[in-house]
Amino acid sequence: DAKTTQPPSMDCAEGRAANLPCNHSTISGNEYVYWYRQIHSQGPQYIIHGLKNNETNEMASLIITEDRKSSTLILPHATLRDTAVYYCIVRPTGGSQGNLIFGKGTKLSVKP
Amino acid sequence: KAGVTQTPRYLIKTRGQQVTLSCSPISGHRSVSWYQQTPGQGLQFLFEYFSETQRNKGNFPGRFSGRQFSNSRSEMNVSTLELGDSALYLCASSFGGGQTGELFFGEGSRLTVL
Repeated sequence: DAKTTQPPSMDCAEGRAANLPCNHSTISGNEYVYWYRQIHSQGPQYIIHGLKNNETNEMASLIITEDRKSSTLILPHATLRDTAVYYCIVRPTGGSQGNLIFGKGTKLSVKP
Repeated sequence: KAGVTQTPRYLIKTRGQQVTLSCSPISGHRSVSWYQQTPGQGLQFLFEYFSETQRNKGNFPGRFSGRQFSNSRSEMNVSTLELGDSALYLCASSFGGGQTGELFFGEGSRLTVL
């Protein structure tokens, strides 16, 4: 079973920041938080990952709470093309890299 | 560089038949994973191959099998197809070797079983 809890859906106005929360209260010290998204009928796309520090890349920012029990993915200026299902996943460092446990994710709808 | 390539993109089979799906990973990637996606169960891990060896396996019956070749290309096979096997089958590649990083997914092979 997935170790994360996400709201099933969220709406965001185009041009505004989209803040997607994720709860992972049972996360272990050696587990990373990963975010992927899946645009309709396409394969999932990696967005960002982090261990305990906040991370930023060209797509998004990841804010992880100090106790690491929750995180927030931030899309700073959402566009219509950001409409997708967003998955928050925790996985341990090292070991098998290809085994991700996907939950149901959050369906983000960006509206004009 | 070229992404993960899956073939065929769409296929229709009937119950009892078997099917083979192919995945070509990104050049230099040694790990290939397979996932099944259905509306009811979501994305579920099937198995992972690294350097021609199955490294991890999900909770699927033995009708689902796979292999990896020396060039890292991978195939998965489903025998004795059932209606419930209708799904999008996704392949993902990565460097493997215990590194922490992203998986690169292909566009998937959509299988319909009639």
